[in-house]
Amino acid sequence: ETGVTQTPRHLVMGMTNKKSLKCEQHLGHNAMYWYKQSAKKPLELMFVYNFKEQTENNSVPSRFSPECPNSSHLFLHLHTLQPEDSALYLCASSQNLAYTSSTDTQYFGPGTRLTVL
Amino acid sequence: GDSVTQMEGPVTLSEEAFLTINCTYTATGYPSLFWYVQYPGEGLQLLLKATKADDKGSNKGFEATYRKETTSFHLEKGSVQVSDSAVYFCALIDSGGSNYKLTFGKGTLLTVNP
Repeated sequence: ETGVTQTPRHLVMGMTNKKSLKCEQHLGHNAMYWYKQSAKKPLELMFVYNFKEQTENNSVPSRFSPECPNSSHLFLHLHTLQPEDSALYLCASSQNLAYTSSTDTQYFGPGTRLTVL
Repeated sequence: GDSVTQMEGPVTLSEEAFLTINCTYTATGYPSLFWYVQYPGEGLQLLLKATKADDKGSNKGFEATYRKETTSFHLEKGSVQVSDSAVYFCALIDSGGSNYKLTFGKGTLLTVNP
């Protein structure tokens, strides 16, 4: 149990659907992240939030829309996705945004396996 | 920019064999280095880390030494077990760049057979 949960664990959606991924961290952390893990590619950082404020959007298409209502919850709203968006979407959190000590390690959730038909 | 290169997998070993997974990096600043492990169906877990040259990170029998002169952080284990079967990711955070951004390698799949 890493303290970071993600729902759903698996999602199949059509290109015209709208769905949302949810991440919750029970660690009292201040920073949260969305990553995309595609086959045979390095993990890609998508979005970063620090104290509910977005600090990074790594050139992510607008069909992905993040939301961070508080420091414990992070959502990724999906609409009009493409088949190439099929991937494992990982959420992570860390105590602080800047890595200055071992306590700033990022903790990952189990991911949502997304398939876009 | 920053990058991490790790050996291509998959790696298949018998139980109790010696494991080495190579990792080299490029960074603009002075990075902290990490190994993460991803077991089937799970997210990434931090396995070990090192924050300065010659530091050795260790956990669960795995070790890696931060070698600044060769820009390497190779993962080793003396005797692997079936339960070590997973994907292993080398990663860095660069103090010279955005010092929260983890840069990952592509991952190496390890399969240990009984």
